[in-house]
Amino acid sequence: SQQGEEDPQALSIQEGENATMNCSYKTSINNLQWYRQNSGRGLVHLILIRSNEREKHSGRLRVTLDTSKKSSSLLITASRAADTASYFCATDQAGGGNKLTFGTGTQLKVEL
Amino acid sequence: GAVVSQHPSRVICKSGTSVKIECRSLDFQATTMFWYRQFPKKSLMLMATSNEGSKATYEQGVEKDKFLINHASLTLSTLTVTSAHPEDSSFYICSARIGAREAFFGQGTRLTVV
Repeated sequence: SQQGEEDPQALSIQEGENATMNCSYKTSINNLQWYRQNSGRGLVHLILIRSNEREKHSGRLRVTLDTSKKSSSLLITASRAADTASYFCATDQAGGGNKLTFGTGTQLKVEL
Repeated sequence: GAVVSQHPSRVICKSGTSVKIECRSLDFQATTMFWYRQFPKKSLMLMATSNEGSKATYEQGVEKDKFLINHASLTLSTLTVTSAHPEDSSFYICSARIGAREAFFGQGTRLTVV
């Protein structure tokens, strides 16, 4: 079953701008992860944030987590055309047996 | 990072035939692997959890006899789509995790049933 809802569904920005994607989920989690998928390819892990963490950075990526609101955001700063891809949040649910449940995804297009 | 290899990347088969997709963990042992299905411009839908040496655990609504999963070793899980029909055409992706860490995904298999 689908755990997370992401918004926006699609986002188009100019190179150099920042891109923000949001994810909401429904149950208690151990951690939340963000993945990237290029068209027709497998997923690549970007960043993992644990339930007791509020913010995490990795290069141009910044992830926040608000467990009280059951939401997370992914910020990509100074976007590049190569960032064009679909981005998914995935929740590792408490008691979920290590399986990840994916959000609906955001299709990001970065134009030159 | 760890590598998961999935094969084939694309397959076209005739309606009524069976297709086997392989998922291998190349540099680590995976006691558990996961199989997902993805429709165009949609999210990943978990089909089943593949457990080494035991039966797979299927998600609600997924036909066990239709999608056969075998996890015979710590590095290989296979998904067989039996008696394939056009509605089985989709993108299938496997993944493996090491404990509670991130998941590593195969490249995906585009199945087209004609």
